[in-house]
Amino acid sequence: AQSVTQLGSHVSVSEGALVLLRCNYSSSVPPYLFWYVQYPNQGLQLLLKYTTGATLVKGINGFEAEFKKSETSFHLTKPSAHMSDAAEYFCAVFETGNQFYFGTGTSLTVIP
Amino acid sequence: GAVVSQHPSWVICKSGTSVKIECRSLDFQATTMFWYRQFPKQSLMLMATSNEGSKATYEQGVEKDKFLINHASLTLSTLTVTSAHPEDSSFYICSARGGGLGREGEQFFGPGTRLTVL
Repeated sequence: AQSVTQLGSHVSVSEGALVLLRCNYSSSVPPYLFWYVQYPNQGLQLLLKYTTGATLVKGINGFEAEFKKSETSFHLTKPSAHMSDAAEYFCAVFETGNQFYFGTGTSLTVIP
Repeated sequence: GAVVSQHPSWVICKSGTSVKIECRSLDFQATTMFWYRQFPKQSLMLMATSNEGSKATYEQGVEKDKFLINHASLTLSTLTVTSAHPEDSSFYICSARGGGLGREGEQFFGPGTRLTVL
């Protein structure tokens, strides 16, 4: 079965600092990869996704992620954190014919 | 983008009552809908997958008689929590796929429903 690991359940950064949220998956076949953001008492909003093609994917709100097959990683980054980025972030993996697998989530705190 | 709505967004009920949550795809036909449960500060746990017109497939450990799922049309799925108890209190999120969308597995999520059972 697929597993998705998000290192660090809580990440704190200063406003304006680099945001790095880590995600590793276990599939031997390149899956489709997603990052979602969740604000309190809300559903999930898609930040970005990787399916095929360019391994550096740009998403909304200035976020981007790079698919690294050799490292089975799909880390999420943003050059400069904003207060509004404080939220819960979920990495997810989908294999064709299989189900969606979510990571355990990373709570991002932005310090003013 | 594809929009999925849920109703109600927040419900409080007495123990022993049943609660129905609706999930609608507003601008596409959802051939497959998913129901998730999320506990505070935790990830989403898939409860069941439903395809329009057929019975839902429940994940291991999810009581199908407790959580009744109906996917009667291509735009509506309902989750009924029967004889709710305080331990059923949770955040329930639905998602949908279909209508030519999400060919790469992408699901479109509803805003969630907060259920509190007193």
